[in-house]
Amino acid sequence: SQQGEEDPQALSIQEGENATMNCSYKTSINNLQWYRQNSGRGLVHLILIRSNEREKHSGRLRVTLDTSKKSSSLLITASQAADTASYFCATKYSGGGADGLTFGKGTHLIIQP
Amino acid sequence: SAVISQKPSRDICQRGTSLTIQCQVDSQVTMMFWYRQQPGQSLTLIATANQGSEATYESGFVIDKFPISRPNLTFSTLTVSNMSPEDSSIYLCSVDREPGKAFFGQGTRLTVV
Repeated sequence: SQQGEEDPQALSIQEGENATMNCSYKTSINNLQWYRQNSGRGLVHLILIRSNEREKHSGRLRVTLDTSKKSSSLLITASQAADTASYFCATKYSGGGADGLTFGKGTHLIIQP
Repeated sequence: SAVISQKPSRDICQRGTSLTIQCQVDSQVTMMFWYRQQPGQSLTLIATANQGSEATYESGFVIDKFPISRPNLTFSTLTVSNMSPEDSSIYLCSVDREPGKAFFGQGTRLTVV
C-alpha cells in the first residue's frame, strides 16, 4: 500500500515562481526522501531529510519535515522549465521481509514558460 | 553514484507471452529492487532480489507471475509472465549504493496488446 500521499496531484505554475508540494506518510520513519521523474523515465534522488531534522536545503530545493504531523513539503524556488517533472516522496519501510521504498502518489509539476 | 543499465527500454508484447527485463549494475550490490509503475500512478515495490537466495515478494505479487533471477551481485532479471493488458506498466530496477539514496535504471516501458 502507498505510504505517502502527495498533494497537489498536479501543479502548473509560471517560470520563476515557487512550487510547493506536500507529502504525508503513515508510519514512523528514519528518513524521508524526494525523487524526480522526467517523462516516465528513471527516478533521480533529490534530497533526504532525517527524522531528527526539521528543514534541509539543497540549491533551489527546501524540504521540511514535521514528524508530529507525519508530513513533509518540498519547495522549489525560482522554477525553471527544466523542473517540469513528477515529484515523489519516499520512505523506507520493512514489510514482508523487503527493504525497498514506499512512494507517495506524486505531484506532476508543469512549469509554463 | 551507481550506473544501472536496464533493457529493453520499451517493448510491445502480445498477451499470453512473457518478457524478461535485465538490469546490470556497474558494481556489486547486496540487494536489487524491482518496482512497477502503472500508467499515471506511483511506484510499487514488486520484490527484493538478493544474490544466492529466493527473491522476497511484496503483497499482491507472486513468483509465478514475476519470476526473478539474481545470478551474481551485479545482475538481475525480472520476467513478466503470461502477460495481459493489465501488465502494461513501466518496470524499474533500483539499488541502494549509498544509505538513503536509491539509484534507478531508466525503466522498461511495457505495452501488452
